[in-house]
Amino acid sequence: LAKTTQPISMDSYEGQEVNITCSHNNIATNDYITWYQQFPSQGPRFIIQGYKTKVTNEVASLFIPADRKSSTLSLPRVSLSDTAVYYCLVVGAGANNLFFGTGTRLTVIP
Amino acid sequence: NAGVTQTPKFQVLKTGQSMTLQCAQDMNHNSMYWYRQDPGMGLRLIYYSASEGTTDKGEVPNGYNVSRLNKREFSLRLESAAPSQTSVYFCASSADRGGSPLHFGNGTRLTVT
Repeated sequence: LAKTTQPISMDSYEGQEVNITCSHNNIATNDYITWYQQFPSQGPRFIIQGYKTKVTNEVASLFIPADRKSSTLSLPRVSLSDTAVYYCLVVGAGANNLFFGTGTRLTVIP
Repeated sequence: NAGVTQTPKFQVLKTGQSMTLQCAQDMNHNSMYWYRQDPGMGLRLIYYSASEGTTDKGEVPNGYNVSRLNKREFSLRLESAAPSQTSVYFCASSADRGGSPLHFGNGTRLTVT
């Protein structure tokens, strides 16, 4: 199970682009990088998943360099409603124990 | 389409009491999971069920039992509640293990006095 390291907290102003970086030095060949978002009093919600290079969906982009030892979640033009905890996970196919860690607490400031 | 439904939403128990947390999913997912989340901490896996008919221990299984009743339902039982089990409990499901995204319920907030 590859361990991940991400900042404990970040602040950003509304309308800015936010980049949250996650380190996963021991990622294995078959592992995927997955990000979840959690609002207070709710369960985590899947945001995006990728294996290499760049993945984009309607919510975020995920950038993964060639060595895959880190990844960056990019949230374009954040709003107050993006205030949440963001978790980076490295997951292997067939794995059962998904390690969530403490995540990054993003606070968007008006 | 309700996704993952957990009952109850809130529960207060006295030390030594027992209770069962219920979880049901309507997405025809094979795998189901129980996590606990303590204040300011990440989620820790209690038990999981990779497929109907199988269950396995996660990171923190002591004091808990589970039952995969059928493909839809996965329950978590506390036989003799302890204050250390005060937490928010989340049930999740995924199409398969590993890379499939997890879909979470909204949690059960349990307090043991």
